[in-house]
Amino acid sequence: DAEITQSPRHKITETGRQVTLACHQTWNHNNMFWYRQDLGHGLRLIHYSYGVQDTNKGEVSDGYSVSRSNTEDLPLTLESAASSQTSVYFCASSDDGELFFGEGSRLTVL
Amino acid sequence: LAKTTQPISMDSYEGQEVNITCSHNNIATNDYITWYQQFPSQGPRFIIQGYKTKVTNEVASLFIPADRKSSTLSLPRVSLSDTAVYYCLVGEGLVVTGGGNKLTFGTGTQLKVEL
Repeated sequence: DAEITQSPRHKITETGRQVTLACHQTWNHNNMFWYRQDLGHGLRLIHYSYGVQDTNKGEVSDGYSVSRSNTEDLPLTLESAASSQTSVYFCASSDDGELFFGEGSRLTVL
Repeated sequence: LAKTTQPISMDSYEGQEVNITCSHNNIATNDYITWYQQFPSQGPRFIIQGYKTKVTNEVASLFIPADRKSSTLSLPRVSLSDTAVYYCLVGEGLVVTGGGNKLTFGTGTQLKVEL
């Protein structure tokens, strides 16, 4: 079955370190998204991509970057992790319709 | 993107019908209304989507009045397993126009179902 997977599921890092969260989908969807979820804020869009080589900033993109070198993957990079980036991160993909979400990656920045 | 407003929380008992209303006064002509459900430690999952009037599937019904400024998600005969956060989203081009979608999730409604 097609699916969307995130890794790692849990990560603890230190302030200032670079962190990359992986997202891989096997539906061949063009559209991929990264959200972060924090108490009191729901899910907020970080970055999104409509296809290979396309990336766009969402509402909370500062401190994050993404790249789309193929259809299946949209890795999220925190160039210099900050404590404010402690959160649960969800990747999603769609083919112009329903969003399919991964299981989430819980990141703690100490 | 149209802003949505929905209750922060709701309580219910097993076997009851639950109706969650979402306000979206600034909905645009091309916008669809979509509801997602999220269980703890999981990503949200699609429940239902509609444009106007009524939509029903095996999980829920979605009622949308003619002015489309609000919508109501109806869950018939809820069970304990329906305890989750429910998100109302309004977005353009979710199905018809293509080009991807930029859905905005609010804080959702925490539904708690008890025995």
